[in-house]
Amino acid sequence: AQRVTQPEKLLSVFKGAPVELKCNYSYSGSPELFWYVQYSRQRLQLLLRHISRESIKGFTADLNKGETSFHLKKPFAQEEDSAMYYCASAGGTSYGKLTFGQGTILTVHP
Amino acid sequence: SAVISQKPSRDICQRGTSLTIQCQVDSQVTMMFWYRQQPGQSLTLIATANQGSEATYESGFVIDKFPISRPNLTFSTLTVSNMSPEDSSIYLCSAGGSTEAFFGQGTRLTVV
Repeated sequence: AQRVTQPEKLLSVFKGAPVELKCNYSYSGSPELFWYVQYSRQRLQLLLRHISRESIKGFTADLNKGETSFHLKKPFAQEEDSAMYYCASAGGTSYGKLTFGQGTILTVHP
Repeated sequence: SAVISQKPSRDICQRGTSLTIQCQVDSQVTMMFWYRQQPGQSLTLIATANQGSEATYESGFVIDKFPISRPNLTFSTLTVSNMSPEDSSIYLCSAGGSTEAFFGQGTRLTVV
């Protein structure tokens, strides 16, 4: 069975500081990994996916198969980055069938 | 992309009653899903809503408690039956796109 672990429930940083949200996964096949974000009073939305290797809003995430990790990083955090972040894996044939981590609440202080 | 509308957005229900949550997608999608988010917990997949056939339930979820309908490619309902306070959660509808999942705004259910 798939499992996604986010060890930090809460993470606080100051504006301009680097931020890293940790995610580890266990999956026997080739994982499809995502970061989803939920801003205050908004619905859950995709931030980025490992397969596209892109940077969204300054965030990047690299899949490390050796460490089974998919940590989310941003070199300079902004106040508008404050949100709930979920790491998720898709092991089935649809990108909608996801296994979520516990979520990390990121707070960026001014 | 797909825009998903869920209703109701919230409800307070008496124990022993049932609530049906509706999910409408603005385009035809092959896959629709229902998730539950209990207080302080992550999202857990309840079931895959299959068009024209019975839903596929995840371990720990059964059809008698969470009957699901999927009459066409843009609509699905989830019923929470014979509710107890433990069913108080946020219920989310999702549609699987070609590269990502799209989510409704959720239904916040409180059972008293």
